[in-house]
Amino acid sequence: DTGVSQDPRHKITKRGQNVTFRCDPISEHNRLYWYRQTLGQGPEFLTYFQNEAQLEKSRLLSDRFSAERPKGSFSTLEIQRTEQGDSAMYLCASSGLTEAGNTIYFGEGSWLTVV
Amino acid sequence: AQSVSQHNHHVILSEAASLELGCNYSYGGTVNLFWYVQYPGQHLQLLLKYFSGDPLVKGIKGFEAEFIKSKFSFNLRKPSVQWSDTAEYFCAAAGGTSYGKLTFGQGTILTVHP
Repeated sequence: DTGVSQDPRHKITKRGQNVTFRCDPISEHNRLYWYRQTLGQGPEFLTYFQNEAQLEKSRLLSDRFSAERPKGSFSTLEIQRTEQGDSAMYLCASSGLTEAGNTIYFGEGSWLTVV
Repeated sequence: AQSVSQHNHHVILSEAASLELGCNYSYGGTVNLFWYVQYPGQHLQLLLKYFSGDPLVKGIKGFEAEFIKSKFSFNLRKPSVQWSDTAEYFCAAAGGTSYGKLTFGQGTILTVHP
């Protein structure tokens, strides 16, 4: 499968613990995005990278959240001191800079449950 | 503020019925519009997109959408639904130079009975 892959697919953690999600985009895609989706809502934009540069961050991304894309390939999203309100699906997506129409391809997401 | 709203939370149809899902957006400037579908247990997939040109856009699996600028709408249509169209459908919009920063609607769950 050459789509966007995310790991882990599911994570249950206790409140206050740190969690990290990994995303491997489609190879050669320059842009990588993180979204968050809660039950009954559409995805909400969190942040995006062009190569290794983080170009935009949503105000939804509190100080407890940090995203990296150190070599311009895979990306990690870390949540420190998790809270119950962080329970959601975290979606990664990627797109090619030169692709016509710049279609964004989504991964299957990482479910986070904070208990 | 940029926003996308979908009119129906849950639509229930019988096979062969026609489908229209409403989507309205509020965006300043040039807007690009999308419809995504999420089948149970699967990732979001692009159905169709509008960037410019012909306001009637045809997508995969027999879906189409019409961009009506005067009504700020981008409704999704299919003349005859199938049981396999059961899924959640999301309308999304992005500013002209922000292709990746999508604003999604709340989603519409479509249930098609055989």
